[in-house]
Amino acid sequence: KAGVTQTPRYLIKTRGQQVTLSCSPISGHRSVSWYQQTPGQGLQFLFEYFSETQRNKGNFPGRFSGRQFSNSRSEMNVSTLELGDSALYLCASQPEGGPLTGELFFGEGSRLTVL
Amino acid sequence: GESVGLHLPTLSVQEGDNSIINCAYSNSASDYFIWYKQESGKGPQFIIDIRSNMDKRQGQRVTVLLNKTVKHLSLQIAATQPGDSAVYFCAESTGGGNKLTFGTGTQLKVEL
Repeated sequence: KAGVTQTPRYLIKTRGQQVTLSCSPISGHRSVSWYQQTPGQGLQFLFEYFSETQRNKGNFPGRFSGRQFSNSRSEMNVSTLELGDSALYLCASQPEGGPLTGELFFGEGSRLTVL
Repeated sequence: GESVGLHLPTLSVQEGDNSIINCAYSNSASDYFIWYKQESGKGPQFIIDIRSNMDKRQGQRVTVLLNKTVKHLSLQIAATQPGDSAVYFCAESTGGGNKLTFGTGTQLKVEL
């Protein structure tokens, strides 16, 4: 079974631009979560989608948005990029939509550099 | 507020020794605590989790202990191997769903 696939793996943008990151969950997984990882802040929850609906949202500004498609694939978008948005963006999927299982399957991430 | 913190940023152990990685948490309402391992260039990988109504859970070479009285979580790795070298994160599940609050991470280095 293929793992969580994130594209692109690496990208460089300049301040003020926007970026869209894509995540294909493991086949059959319906829940997709996004996390931002930086050396300073560590791993921080962005949002979670299940059945095309945002179920949870972290404490990030409105410049960060996401969506999920009917095939469970997900995208996240960051508009008006700032230098501080440079990070590894991780997507994780889970087989069931139920809460409190703890086991997420992470992709290898998309490394975003903002210049 | 919610916070999960680690006591030590780096832990060096000899191959074959047991490793203990510690974690403190502050949200007594958390339902699940989870340990993840992250190797360089990869995403975090689930190791083991424990419900808040449990004190101990064992897996293959790993044991997680939960002390709710002092809000402390630990991960024990038996017979540590070079392949165990990674950053280890504790996380807590808050509010249901898959919103996890991660700790800052501990770098485990296994010396031959």
